[in-house]
Amino acid sequence: GDSVTQMEGPVTLSEEAFLTINCTYTATGYPSLFWYVQYPGEGLQLLLKATKADDKGSNKGFEATYRKETTSFHLEKGSVQVSDSAVYFCALSDGNSGYALNFGKGTSLLVTP
Amino acid sequence: EADIYQTPRYLVIGTGKKITLECSQTMGHDKMYWYQQDPGMELHLIHYSYGVNSTEKGDLSSESTVSRIRTEHFPLTLESARPSHTSQYLCASSAKRNTEAFFGQGTRLTVV
Repeated sequence: GDSVTQMEGPVTLSEEAFLTINCTYTATGYPSLFWYVQYPGEGLQLLLKATKADDKGSNKGFEATYRKETTSFHLEKGSVQVSDSAVYFCALSDGNSGYALNFGKGTSLLVTP
Repeated sequence: EADIYQTPRYLVIGTGKKITLECSQTMGHDKMYWYQQDPGMELHLIHYSYGVNSTEKGDLSSESTVSRIRTEHFPLTLESARPSHTSQYLCASSAKRNTEAFFGQGTRLTVV
């Protein structure tokens, strides 16, 4: 079945460091791919998305490119801030289970001053 | 900003009690979902709905039940709460196939 695998955390970075969170997927068909962020005590917020191969999603300095050949959707940011500390989830949607999102296990990011 | 609301935000309740977690959205979305989030952060789909009078069980077996009598409302009920039901419950909705889902702020349930 479909699945999403993302790197395990926690990831600890200093402010202004470069961030990469790896995400790979397995799916039949042509899924849409997403990154969500969850701040402590909150629900999930959409960070960015890509709906077809080679699309690049971007938002708030974060970027991810839909790579069909490597089945990947890695999240990157050039310079992280303390306020980026949160849990990041990679997800796909391809029509299964009422088009529900299938999530990876989440990666916790802590950015220190 | 997404218009999807969950109440209560926090709930502590005794074993054996019946509870209903409320979820409402004002976006007119047909599809709605309930996820259970364990302490390790992982999200599990427990129920979903394509629209009014449609409910389906998700990937993770759950003793909870749901109903969808109105488009905007998707409540989750536990007939007899147990400590194993302690978790965070997240409600979400989406408009079309393969598009993003919008999430509520969640209900953190503790059964003592």
